[in-house]
Parts: sequence; C-alpha cells; structure tokens
Amino acid sequence: QTVVTQEPSFSVSPGGTVILTCGLTSGSVSGSYHPSWYQQTPGQAPRTLVYNTYDRPSGVPARFSGSMLGSKAALTITGAEADDEGDYYCALYMGNGVWAFGGGTKLAVL
Amino acid sequence: QVQLMQAGPEVKKPGSSVKVSCRASGGTFRSNALSWVRQAPGQGLEWMGGIIPIFGAPNYAQRFQGRLTITADESTATAYMELNGLRSDDTAIYYCASENTVVPGAREGFGSWGPGTLVTVSS
Repeated sequence: QTVVTQEPSFSVSPGGTVILTCGLTSGSVSGSYHPSWYQQTPGQAPRTLVYNTYDRPSGVPARFSGSMLGSKAALTITGAEADDEGDYYCALYMGNGVWAFGGGTKLAVL
Repeated sequence: QVQLMQAGPEVKKPGSSVKVSCRASGGTFRSNALSWVRQAPGQGLEWMGGIIPIFGAPNYAQRFQGRLTITADESTATAYMELNGLRSDDTAIYYCASENTVVPGAREGFGSWGPGTLVTVSS
C-alpha cells in the first residue's frame, strides 16, 4: 500500500525560508493528486493553506506557497514568523474518491 | 465560503455506535465533496471516507470498510458519519471537511473544516 510521506520535523529561524515536502513511498506526486496543505496548532481544527497544488484560500498570506519539486509536492514558507509554529499536513487524492494524509511535519520557529 | 457546523461531544461504550452530524451553509451542498477526517489524541489526521451528495455513493478508507457509514441529507444540507463497533482506539476528534469545487466531482482539497466533534469511547 502506497503511503504519503512528510518530514517528521523541521526548524526554521524567524524571517527564514523553509520548504516542506509531500511524497509517496511508491511513485511520484503529480498535479492529478491535487496536493493540498493544512496547518494545525494545538487545540485547533486544521486550517487550509494551499489546495490544488498552488491555490491559496482568501486570507492566507502569500508567504505560504505550494509547488511541485521533483517527484514531490512542496509547501514553501518565506519570512517565517513565530505564529507559524505547528503541525503541517499534506493530503493527496489517491483516486476513486479516496484521499490520504501524510504523517505531518512538526515545524519549530527558533 | 462554506461553513461547517458540528454537534457537541459524545461519550460511548465499547461495542456501541456513534453518529456525528455536519451541517453546511454558504455553498452548494449537493455538488461539493464532503469528507470525514479523524485525529486521535497526539496523532495525525486520518481520512475516513467521503461523499458527494449529488452522486450519492460514499467512498471509504479500506480500514473502515464494513464499520463506517456516511450519508448526506440534501434537504437539510447535513452529512452524517456513523461508526459501529466502537473501541477505545476510536477515541478521537472527528472533523468534517468540504471540497468547495464548482464542478460536481472535481477534486481540489479541503477548503473548509468543521470545528470537530470529540468522541470518547470508554467503559
């Protein structure tokens, strides 16, 4: 069974740039997987940052951007802020109405 | 912007069932895919299943096949998730999430999330 992979943890300095990735244990991620990204802070519901690879919901700052990076989907955070600390999840559409989430990346800003 | 409202917390006995509701407003309920995602304490997000009301037939993650039923009531713009044979490891927050696409059946990721319903399974 193919599993969605993410880095378990990452750290970034305030004002710095970090790239989180979302891959597959078998095969490459493409646009047909409709990769999306979610931020979750303790005690809160997930917040959508990017959907359909690149699109941002209204209200999400432009410093969060989605892209494809080689065989993976990527979320780039530029100008990291303390409030960006939290868990980041990607989701991929696996076909036939089925979605799968990655295990999440815990991001520290320090 | 689609808004999703969920019912309050539930406490259930092992072996029983739970039915969680999710009411949508502000969008096109019948054509938007709605999924159920759960999060056990200290764990990540897990997609359970989903439904596009206009098409009717739900889809389920393999591990929930036979134990999970997802339905949608277009008259009240409400989706339901019923999980049977509850175990202690079903204790989790259950979120509904909507894909706010214009075209029925198009996929794009979850644009809206409900606040979550805590389901506690304990004897």
